[in-house]
Amino acid sequence: DIQMTQSPSTLSASVGDRVTITCRASQSVSIWLAWYQQKPGKAPNLLIYKASSLDSGVPSRFSGSGSGTEFTLTITSLQPDDFATYYCQQYSSYWTFGQGTKVEIK
Amino acid sequence: EVQLVESGGGLVQPGGSLRLSCAASGFTFNNYAMSWVRQAPGEGLEWVSSIIGAGSKTYYADSVKGRFTISRDNSNNTLYLQMNSLRAEDTAVYYCAKVRFPHCSTTSCYFFDSWSQGTLVTVSS
Repeated sequence: DIQMTQSPSTLSASVGDRVTITCRASQSVSIWLAWYQQKPGKAPNLLIYKASSLDSGVPSRFSGSGSGTEFTLTITSLQPDDFATYYCQQYSSYWTFGQGTKVEIK
Repeated sequence: EVQLVESGGGLVQPGGSLRLSCAASGFTFNNYAMSWVRQAPGEGLEWVSSIIGAGSKTYYADSVKGRFTISRDNSNNTLYLQMNSLRAEDTAVYYCAKVRFPHCSTTSCYFFDSWSQGTLVTVSS
């Protein structure tokens, strides 16, 4: 099974900050990686797929990069609506999620 | 507008059974693979099971293999998860989820753009 490890687990930031979350795979997943945002009590929301493709309607301040085993999600200017938990998901070999990164208010 | 509406969650004793349903609307259901993803209280997301659009191929996480069965009724646009031999560690919010693109022919397109509201399954005596 492919394991996905996100870092950090929690991130404290302020509105306007640039935020970067890292996701590492235990083996190569090529570019088959997605990112989701989840708010408390709500279902996840797809942000990015194929490592760097922004899903429809997702603000351009979100971007993804990487391939193989290392990936990043970047939020260029953090907005109040962005405080949430973010998950990566590989879909190269079956499907596994990272443990999540909580972005909280500093 | 895509809608996925779940039903069937609740409290069940260890060893018991439960069936979740997910009624889909707003898209051509049989063109899309579907999945179940769960989230234990305070924990992260865990993929549980998937089924292709035609319903002829299914996939399961090792943690539920042999106990859970995914199925779909394309004539009624409904996805199901039959859960047997339930354990305390199956306690979670269960989501049904739709893959992003139709006619997925490989598993390398199973990421999810629409999710249900989630239903809580509690396994406890």
